[in-house]
Amino acid sequence: DADVTQTPRNRITKTGKRIMLECSQTKGHDRMYWYRQDPGLGLRLIYYSFDVKDINKGEISDGYSVSRQAQAKFSLSLESAIPNQTALYFCATSDRSTGANTGELFFGEGSRLTVL
Amino acid sequence: DAKTTQPPSMDCAEGRAANLPCNHSTISGNEYVYWYRQIHSQGPQYIIHGLKNNETNEMASLIITEDRKSSTLILPHATLRDTAVYYCIVRSGGSNYKLTFGKGTLLTVNP
Repeated sequence: DADVTQTPRNRITKTGKRIMLECSQTKGHDRMYWYRQDPGLGLRLIYYSFDVKDINKGEISDGYSVSRQAQAKFSLSLESAIPNQTALYFCATSDRSTGANTGELFFGEGSRLTVL
Repeated sequence: DAKTTQPPSMDCAEGRAANLPCNHSTISGNEYVYWYRQIHSQGPQYIIHGLKNNETNEMASLIITEDRKSSTLILPHATLRDTAVYYCIVRSGGSNYKLTFGKGTLLTVNP
């Protein structure tokens, strides 16, 4: 089983609908992130959380909200989806960076969202 | 965090070394250089990182210039499976950080 699991993997929805993308991890990491990828634009950070009580906005948080239900779960919500939120969404986790820790991010397999 | 500049695309022959450059001229003393790659639409994968010294692991080597304003990721014997987008990222030191991905370099390894 994957260490970082995203659900759903694919979703088609309509404009104005509320959609939630879920991320769960078994790595025991305290940091979790949501990124969005559009063709040709690389990955852009939406929200990130350094622990359960710490949530921060990234580059493009407008139109999104998040919930860190537990250390292992970080959900991304689109309250009223619009077509330009059609994208590939990635969840990632990392451990607290220490001297011996690479600080690398571990990514899920992605959730492809289409808003019609 | 310092910005990075990478060429949008590069080609490499299979079996040859692939040298991917990255410019980070505004890097500051406590910022690390990280490299990730993304194969097709999969989640990005960590490759290597460094601060000042050159680094090598089982995947690649990272060469950082003495002034730290640029670096090169070297894949010593590129294979077709190395075709991917490679991201060079600079991040601050400390335990609280986030990674900002640019557009990266699309490396195409040709038979």
